[in-house]
Amino acid sequence: SQQGEEDPQALSIQEGENATMNCSYKTSINNLQWYRQNSGRGLVHLILIRSNEREKHSGRLRVTLDTSKKSSSLLITASRAADTASYFCATVRNDYKLSFGAGTTVTVRA
Amino acid sequence: DTGVSQNPRHKITKRGQNVTFRCDPISEHNRLYWYRQTLGQGPEFLTYFQNEAQLEKSRLLSDRFSAERPKGSFSTLEIQRTEQGDSAMYLCASSLPGKQGYEQYFGPGTRLTVT
Repeated sequence: SQQGEEDPQALSIQEGENATMNCSYKTSINNLQWYRQNSGRGLVHLILIRSNEREKHSGRLRVTLDTSKKSSSLLITASRAADTASYFCATVRNDYKLSFGAGTTVTVRA
Repeated sequence: DTGVSQNPRHKITKRGQNVTFRCDPISEHNRLYWYRQTLGQGPEFLTYFQNEAQLEKSRLLSDRFSAERPKGSFSTLEIQRTEQGDSAMYLCASSLPGKQGYEQYFGPGTRLTVT
C-alpha cells in the first residue's frame, strides 16, 4: 500500500508560472523526499526534508513540511518546459524504505 | 545519468517464462533496493540489500520472485513463471547512508511486458 497521496493528480501551467503540488501521508516519518520522473525513465531525487525541518529550498524548488497535518508541499517557481514530468513524494519511516504516493503529472506549456 | 545501470531496458516475454534483470549500483553504495512501478502509480518497495544480505522482502514479492546480490555488488531479480500481472517497470536504486542522508539513486528501470 502507498503511504502518500499527491494532490492534484495532474497540473497544466504556462511556462513562467509557479506550480504547487501537495502530499499527504498517514504515519510518522523520519524524512520526506520529492522525486521527479520523466516519461518512461527512472526517478531523480530533488530534495529531502527531515521531520524536524519546516521549509527547505533548492534552486527553484521550495518544500514545506507540516508534521502536525502530515502534509508537505512542493513549489516550483518560474516553470520551464523541461519541468514537464511526474513528481512523487516519498516518506521514510526508518532508515531505508521509501513509500511513494501516486504522483502529480505536471505539464508546462510553452 | 545517476550512475545506476539496469539491463535489459525492455523485456517482452510470454506468460510462464522466466526472466532475470540485472542492476549495477553506484560502486561505493552498500545499499540496494528493488521497486516495482505500474502505470499511473508510484514505485512500490520490493526488497532491500545491505551489502550481500537481503534484509527485507515486501509481501508483494511472491515466491516466484527471487533477488540476489552476490559479493555485495550487482544484483539480479528473477521472476519465475511470469504472469500478465507482472507487467511493470522494475526499478533499482542504491544509496550510501550517512552524509547524503537517505537519498536513493535510481536506475532507468527495466520495463517488463508479459504477453
